[in-house]
Amino acid sequence: SQQGEEDPQALSIQEGENATMNCSYKTSINNLQWYRQNSGRGLVHLILIRSNEREKHSGRLRVTLDTSKKSSSLLITASRAADTASYFCATDAITGAQKLVFGQGTRLTINP
Amino acid sequence: NAGVTQTPKFQVLKTGQSMTLQCAQDMNHEYMSWYRQDPGMGLRLIHYSVGAGITDQGEVPNGYNVSRSTTEDFPLRLLSAAPSQTSVYFCASSYMGGGSYNSPLHFGNGTRLTVT
Repeated sequence: SQQGEEDPQALSIQEGENATMNCSYKTSINNLQWYRQNSGRGLVHLILIRSNEREKHSGRLRVTLDTSKKSSSLLITASRAADTASYFCATDAITGAQKLVFGQGTRLTINP
Repeated sequence: NAGVTQTPKFQVLKTGQSMTLQCAQDMNHEYMSWYRQDPGMGLRLIHYSVGAGITDQGEVPNGYNVSRSTTEDFPLRLLSAAPSQTSVYFCASSYMGGGSYNSPLHFGNGTRLTVT
């Protein structure tokens, strides 16, 4: 079964609004990563947050991590049409195996 | 700097045929992996490698073989294609720093495979 699960599965907002996506996972992790996938393309890394970090920023992106709840959120502020894509969280379980496990993704649509 | 290159981009196979999906990276990354992406299933790990001569299984390895004879190349072989292997396949690589997985993956643009 998937380690990470994103919520919601699909999100549609107006340009300029903020978009929030959530990710829950099952086992203890070393770190959690967020990726973006434009239609028909490979995934692009956005941000990595380690298990001892609670919040991280990169431009218009803000990621939080709550290890007690085994959850993370990705906030995109002041959304743009170019942000339309699928967003995936991925976790690296603490077992030591070199496996990055992805969730099912959130499909984000920014309406002009 | 090409990054991760996957060939072919599209492929149609008949049930029972075999083929190799190619993946090459020019970033001197130790870690390479193969994922398949199916609608509603996200990405699932097929096989991965932490260096030349070392490979291991992911979540869905059945029906696939890999080898890693060089740092640059990590081909994925379908032994006897089945319709259930219709999917988009992504190769990804990363630098392995410090023994735990703290490096982002670099993805190729995928191979879209249809098995009829």
